Amino acid sequence: GQSLEQPSEVTAVEGAIVQINCTYQTSGFYGLSWYQQHDGGAPTFLSYNALDGLEETGRFSSFLSRSDSYGYLLLQELQMKDSASYFCAVRAPMDSNYQLIWGAGTKLIIKP
Amino acid sequence: DTAVSQTPKYLVTQMGNDKSIKCEQNLGHDTMYWYKQDSKKFLKIMFSYNNKELIINETVPNRFSPKSPDKAHLNLHINSLELGDSAVYFCASSLGTASLRGYTFGSGTRLTVV
Repeated sequence: GQSLEQPSEVTAVEGAIVQINCTYQTSGFYGLSWYQQHDGGAPTFLSYNALDGLEETGRFSSFLSRSDSYGYLLLQELQMKDSASYFCAVRAPMDSNYQLIWGAGTKLIIKP
Repeated sequence: DTAVSQTPKYLVTQMGNDKSIKCEQNLGHDTMYWYKQDSKKFLKIMFSYNNKELIINETVPNRFSPKSPDKAHLNLHINSLELGDSAVYFCASSLGTASLRGYTFGSGTRLTVV
């Protein structure tokens, strides 16, 4: 089967740094994406890693290690507005029409 | 504004009714999706269309029927609604099926079946 695992909940303090991990087991791999979803809102695209290494976009960074089937989202200088659910998703192979396989989401709780 | 817009935002209806949700995108994308998000926030793909052609048709009851009149629109019709259909339904779009830019989601339709 195909699956992604990420922690269900992570708690951090405002101003701190937090890492949300994602491990995957899929029959093919074409990239790891991260999405943010605030309560009552829509998922919004944050980042995409197709190659190993770190991609940085402002306070958010995303890392991928294909040999370890592992990635993480790193959020720095946490703000209260970062309280949301974060989903990792892997792009499946062409025979699955490259559809995204989604993790169950990590609820990030930020305390003042 | 460029966006994915879906209507209605809220839908409360009785069991057994038939309802439709509409979705439109003006991003010039050629691939559109319907997702169901349950109370545990799990996102489940239901359907995907690429240039009006159905390319993903996951195991959903045949009471759910998508329709794409053109590549900017993807509607979802649900017959004989059941309590278990209560969820948030998201429409999304992307440029191609393997887009590096990710999906753009609509704001969601919260369906409550009573």
